[in-house]
Amino acid sequence: DIVLTQTPLSLSVTPGQPASISCKSSQSLLDRDGATYLYWYLQKPGQSPQVLIYEVSNRFSGVPDRFSGSGSGTDFTLKISRVEAEDVGVYYCMQSIQHPKTFGQGTKVDLK
Amino acid sequence: EVHLVESGGGVVQPGGSLRLSCAASGFTFANYWMSWVRQAPGKGPEWVGNINPDGRVKYSLDSVKGRFTVSRDNAKNSLYLQMNSLRAEDTAVYYCARDMRYFDWLGQGTLVTVSS
Repeated sequence: DIVLTQTPLSLSVTPGQPASISCKSSQSLLDRDGATYLYWYLQKPGQSPQVLIYEVSNRFSGVPDRFSGSGSGTDFTLKISRVEAEDVGVYYCMQSIQHPKTFGQGTKVDLK
Repeated sequence: EVHLVESGGGVVQPGGSLRLSCAASGFTFANYWMSWVRQAPGKGPEWVGNINPDGRVKYSLDSVKGRFTVSRDNAKNSLYLQMNSLRAEDTAVYYCARDMRYFDWLGQGTLVTVSS
């Protein structure tokens, strides 16, 4: 199974300041079709996970442009340009290049 | 708007069985792969299994193979998860998800507790 390792595991951010989360994969997520199957989710307190970014860098419908994703192969990053109160929660990366689809262990983001 | 509503969760003894259902609306259910994703208390999400649009192709997590079965009824816009031989480690919130290779929509989940 592919293992996704996120760092840091927790992050305390001042509102208006940037934040960055890393996700490293045990195998390349670049498929033969040219796509890279890495996604980012946010789970707000008491809610289901919601997708933010698909295929490394594409924002899902309705996701604010302060969220951006980058990376390639095995190393990926989610950046929040200016953290807002509604961004609090746990962020997960996920891969779907092969079954089983797997998630990172999560990064908890809260406000200072 | 896509709407997924899970039901069927509850408390069951180890070794018991439970069948979860997911009612889908707001999209053409028969055209999409569907998945079940679970989340144990205090843990991250874990993909359990999925099924292709016509129900003939399925994949599942090794730890549930032979115990859990994903099925669907496209006429009823419904997804199911039959869970047998339940173990304490199956305790989790179970989410139904539309599977676009990633989960673009998830329901609110139904809690399954395996305990004596």
